[in-house]
Parts: sequence; structure tokens; C-alpha cells
Amino acid sequence: DQQVKQNSPSLSVQEGRISILNCDYTNSMFDYFLWYKKYPAEGPTFLISISSIKDKNEDGRFTVFLNKSAKHLSLHIVPSQPGDSAVYFCAASVAGGGNKLTFGTGTQLKVEL
Amino acid sequence: GAVVSQHPSWVICKSGTSVKIECRSLDFQATTMFWYRQFPKQSLMLMATSNEGSKATYEQGVEKDKFLINHASLTLSTLTVTSAHPEDSSFYICSANAGGTYEQYFGPGTRLTVT
Repeated sequence: DQQVKQNSPSLSVQEGRISILNCDYTNSMFDYFLWYKKYPAEGPTFLISISSIKDKNEDGRFTVFLNKSAKHLSLHIVPSQPGDSAVYFCAASVAGGGNKLTFGTGTQLKVEL
Repeated sequence: GAVVSQHPSWVICKSGTSVKIECRSLDFQATTMFWYRQFPKQSLMLMATSNEGSKATYEQGVEKDKFLINHASLTLSTLTVTSAHPEDSSFYICSANAGGTYEQYFGPGTRLTVT
């Protein structure tokens, strides 16, 4: 039962354009969401997060949007840079769940010159 | 800040032997550490959660006698894969949480190959 889904396994974007990575979830108890970036053979790196009481959080080139009614969140990267090429995972947590994270399946982003 | 190290970064062992992987939080005290494994092109699967000084909590389907977890201090957790078999070959990643936030900070991972 995949509670957090990233339906696009890969995404290709031109340098300078916007990258939009999507994530859907099924568990309405999730109240905190995070995005991680991962290079091959390395651990994930935390990017940005959002609480369920917000619908948007911005940090530099990264913005996360949350649509609770649709159980959907997205990560926008603008402008995209070649160094952004990596696998992006969304993750979700339940309040009182011992800070456990449930990860999505990941989206491979490739930013082309 | 929030640096987590793992050792070793890769290990090859023979079937039937045991392997210990260390996870350390270098610049913060980790009230909780997590162990994940990742198969190629798949998501991170949580294996267990460990809190300092208490027994680890294992996820469903994870054999606690095979994957021994010890969280001896606020900066160190170890995962021992006992009697390893080729199907245990995987990428094992630990993460640490400082408490009070949801963010987990991940180590660089350990590639285990069992021959």
C-alpha cells in the first residue's frame, strides 16, 4: 500500500526553465511534508518542507505547494540548473507518529543544457 | 550543521558472516535514528526506528533477529546484519532526528554486497 506516490518516474527540463515535481498521498493523517534530493550512492539531502497548516513554502529557488483537499503537493524549482539533476523524493509524516517518514517512489529529474 | 556519517561506505562479505554498520550524528544529539534500505530504482523503505537507550521498533516484515540495531548513545546507532545472504545485498541508509522537528538528516549510505 503506497501511501505516498510520485507518478512520474522521470522528468526532463531545460536549464533555466521551471521544474515541477508532483506527489500525491492517500493518508489524511499526514500533517507534515518534506522534499529530499538524492544523488546515486549517497544519502538524501533535505530540501524544503511544509506543514499542513500552510499551502505554500518558499526557500530560494524551491517552492513547495500543498493542496490538502486534493492530497497533492508539488515542488517547483525555478530556474532549473544542471546541478539539480537528481532523484527527488517527497516524504510525509503523521503527528505523533514518532517522526517516521513515509517516502514516495522518487522522480528522476534531468536538467539539460 | 546536521551532519550524519556512516561507516563503512561499502562492504563486501561472504554469505553467512555478519556485518556491522555504524551511523553517527556528528554535530547534534540524535534522540531518534532510523534505518532504511533501498533497492535499485526504488524508494527508501524504513526498516526500524531506534531511540537512545531503548529497543528498536521494527517495521512489519523486518526480521529483528537478523537486523540487530543498537542505539548506545545520542550520537551512535549500529545496524548488524547477521548471517548475511545475497538477498541482503542492498544500500542501507541511516538518518537522525534531533527531536522537536520532523526533518531527518541522512547519512551517505552503505553499499552491502553479500557474495
